[in-house]
Amino acid sequence: DAKTTQPPSMDCAEGRAANLPCNHSTISGNEYVYWYRQIHSQGPQYIIHGLKNNETNEMASLIITEDRKSSTLILPHATLRDTAVYYCIVRVVLSGTYKYIFGTGTRLKVLA
Amino acid sequence: EAQVTQNPRYLITVTGKKLTVTCSQNMNHEYMSWYRQDPGLGLRQIYYSMNVEVTDKGDVPEGYKVSRKEKRNFPLILESPSPNQTSLYFCASSLRRTPGRTTEAFFGQGTRLTVV
Repeated sequence: DAKTTQPPSMDCAEGRAANLPCNHSTISGNEYVYWYRQIHSQGPQYIIHGLKNNETNEMASLIITEDRKSSTLILPHATLRDTAVYYCIVRVVLSGTYKYIFGTGTRLKVLA
Repeated sequence: EAQVTQNPRYLITVTGKKLTVTCSQNMNHEYMSWYRQDPGLGLRQIYYSMNVEVTDKGDVPEGYKVSRKEKRNFPLILESPSPNQTSLYFCASSLRRTPGRTTEAFFGQGTRLTVV
């Protein structure tokens, strides 16, 4: 079962920040939170990941609450090309490697 | 360019006719996996492989086979396809878990399979 819950859809005005929430209340101490996005039916694209500290890269910022039970992906200046399904994923440790458990994601629509 | 390549991108076949979807990665990744994506169900893992000659079942392995004879290739085999295997399939690869190494998964562009 997916270990994350996300709202099914969100809208955001172009140029504004898009804040996508995710709940992962059963996350374990060594499990990372990953975010991917999928544009149309293309392969999912890696965005960012974190364990307990906030992270930022050229695409987005990831804010993780202190208790690690939830996080927020922030796209600081959303563009039309950011319209996609965004997946918040808990990466599970699995006997020497990792497993990504996908939920159904949030469909973000950026509006002109 | 680092990438995961799947072929074919689109395939329509008939029930019972064996088919193979190929997956190849050029990043020397140890870990490879197959997912299927269906409306309302997200991505579900079919099979995965932690290295050459090491494969294991994921969450929905029934009706599928895989092999890992070479590090770069991880084909998905449907011995006797059925209509309920109509889906969008993704192959993914990543580095094996090692401290200090980046291990995000890279996904292929997908194979849309229709079984009639």
